[in-house]
Formats: sequence, C-alpha cells, structure tokens
Amino acid sequence: GAGVSQSPRYKVTKRGQDVALRCDPISGHVSLYWYRQALGQGPEFLTYFNYEAQQDKSGLPNDRFSAERPEGSISTLTIQRTEQRDSAMYRCASSNTLGQGRTDTQYFGPGTRLTVL
Amino acid sequence: AQKITQTQPGMFVQEKEAVTLDCTYDTSDQSYGLFWYKQPSSGEMIFLIYQGSYDEQNATEGRYSLNFQKARKSANLVISASQLGDSAMYFCAMREGEGVDFGNEKLTFGTGTRLTIIP
Repeated sequence: GAGVSQSPRYKVTKRGQDVALRCDPISGHVSLYWYRQALGQGPEFLTYFNYEAQQDKSGLPNDRFSAERPEGSISTLTIQRTEQRDSAMYRCASSNTLGQGRTDTQYFGPGTRLTVL
Repeated sequence: AQKITQTQPGMFVQEKEAVTLDCTYDTSDQSYGLFWYKQPSSGEMIFLIYQGSYDEQNATEGRYSLNFQKARKSANLVISASQLGDSAMYFCAMREGEGVDFGNEKLTFGTGTRLTIIP
C-alpha cells in the first residue's frame, strides 16, 4: 500500500483481556516505531525496530506490553491483561534508513483507538 | 525538564493571515533534528517540515517555514496565508542523535497547539 496501515482501527475490550495491534509499514521501510497518544497529548514513544531487531524498548510502560516484527515487515504490539489506563490511541510509524538517515521522516499510520472497559 | 515545549495550547487566526506556532527544545546533543506534524480532526499525523541542527538555512516547504534559532533553542513554525484547512493540532518533535548510520531514534513530541482559522 501507499502508506502505513494499522488494524483494527478501533478496539474495545474488557479489562483483563489480551489485545494484539497490527502495523503494516510502508513497503521497503526498514524502521518501524510504536507510539501511544493520550487525548490532548502528543505521541509518546514505546519501542522501535530496525528490520526484525528491536532496537529500543525503553518506552514500554511495563512487562504487559511487548512487540515483535519477526520478518522485518509487519509488526504486532501486544498488551496482556489490559487495564483501563491502557486506553489510548496506538500509533505506528515507519521510515527508511537506507540512506544516511539524517532526514528520514517517520510516516504515521491512522492509529488504533483502544478502549478498555 | 521538558524536551519539547509548546506554550500555546490554542490559537485563533483570521484566514489569509500568517501565523507562528512556538516551539522550544532542550537537548545536550550537538546533532539533532526538529520536525513539525499536523493532526487534523480526522486524527492522522501528517509530516510538514524538517530542520537539521547543522542546516544553515531555515527549512521551507510551500507555505510552511521553520524559524530556527539555534542559540535560543527555538524552532517556530510559520504558516503563510493561512487557509481554513490549516485548522488542526500542530506538534513539534525532536530526534536526538542525528547523523548516525542507523540514527532513526525516537521522536519526542510536545503537547501541541490547536490552531483554528477563522473565515
């Protein structure tokens, strides 16, 4: 596709359930990022990958959150035992680092709105 | 300390006027990049403009320009001849550690400015 896609666009779940959020980056993009955006705030970094390698997961709030990108393309962010405070917009972005990387821009997907009841 | 500070929660501007959205940043890195993104009510995040810390010229992209004042650590976005479609949230963001081969580190965002263009 032309841009970053994410699914589902909306997810409503009950507290304690596990959820899996999917990101399909721009074709050929090497780097993939996950962010979380609360209402009225800017996105906050969660984790990122270069190819299939997770480079930085310092932004993951706790061990209920995990992410993978096994084949270096599609990524899944998994939240186990969801809590109400996990409710937010989860955004994925991708960029191309095949060049020098200084001006590589992160292009964002439409996000998944997660609501935990 | 906040890495990115946007002090204007909201702004109202008359159509066709120019508008400046403020952004100040805090970093000890010598090499970094600054970005502006637009988020309309539809929720998407649209990249507008980029400025590298070593770029000598201020970045411009159509009606958007970035007023980069390195000594003051400010990177204000200027929109010329505003249009109704410019109404949106605007986020300033920084990427530290530029210039490394795989230097695509995380973006740190400000809290945003909601811009409303009045007809």
